Amino acid sequence: QVQLQESGPGLVKPSETLSLTCTVSGGSISSYYWSWIRQPPGKGLEWIGYIFYSGSTNYNPSLKSRVTISLDMSNNQFSLMLTSLTAADTAVYFCARARWAVAGPSFDSWGQGTLVTVS
Amino acid sequence: EIVLTQSPGTLSLSPGERATLSCRASQTVSINYLAWYQQKPGQAPRILISGTSNRATGIPDRFSGGGSGTDFTLTISRLEPEDFAVYYCQQYDNSPWTFGQGTKVEI
Repeated sequence: QVQLQESGPGLVKPSETLSLTCTVSGGSISSYYWSWIRQPPGKGLEWIGYIFYSGSTNYNPSLKSRVTISLDMSNNQFSLMLTSLTAADTAVYFCARARWAVAGPSFDSWGQGTLVTVS
Repeated sequence: EIVLTQSPGTLSLSPGERATLSCRASQTVSINYLAWYQQKPGQAPRILISGTSNRATGIPDRFSGGGSGTDFTLTISRLEPEDFAVYYCQQYDNSPWTFGQGTKVEI
């Protein structure tokens, strides 16, 4: 059973850069899409972007100019960098695995989420 | 960008009742690329349904999904106490992947 765990600072100052890491255990980082998703307090889910195990990326246009997702296959980790933070970036950040199955794609494994406050 | 609009925003029901949740897309979504998630307070979302109607592993058969084109539905045939939560639809057909705003099923 694959498990995902986010790590990173809980408090970041405005205009600074957020760096989060997701460690994948119990399975390989190969053959899947690895995503970041966020959820502002009391609100819905927003997909930030993904990195495929090959290294190709796809970002939400609303964040594209500020986002970088990278992969560290040797440590079974992937990371999120989000620059020029504002209070609007305050959210719970989830890492998740997107699996393309015959039954259709889905985010089938999630981290527990980490609250990032910009203040 | 495909906008997913879920209705109603809140559904107030009792255990044992049937819940019908709607997800309407701003343009056609392939049935292969529509999923439903359940989220409880303080937890990550959990996959319920992929490909419009395929239950994920371990999901009870009281959950069913259907629809096509721009209109999709999640039905919970008989609500159990653990089903009271927020439900999100999500599409993978076009980038950016988008979620609906959620439907809260409350007692």
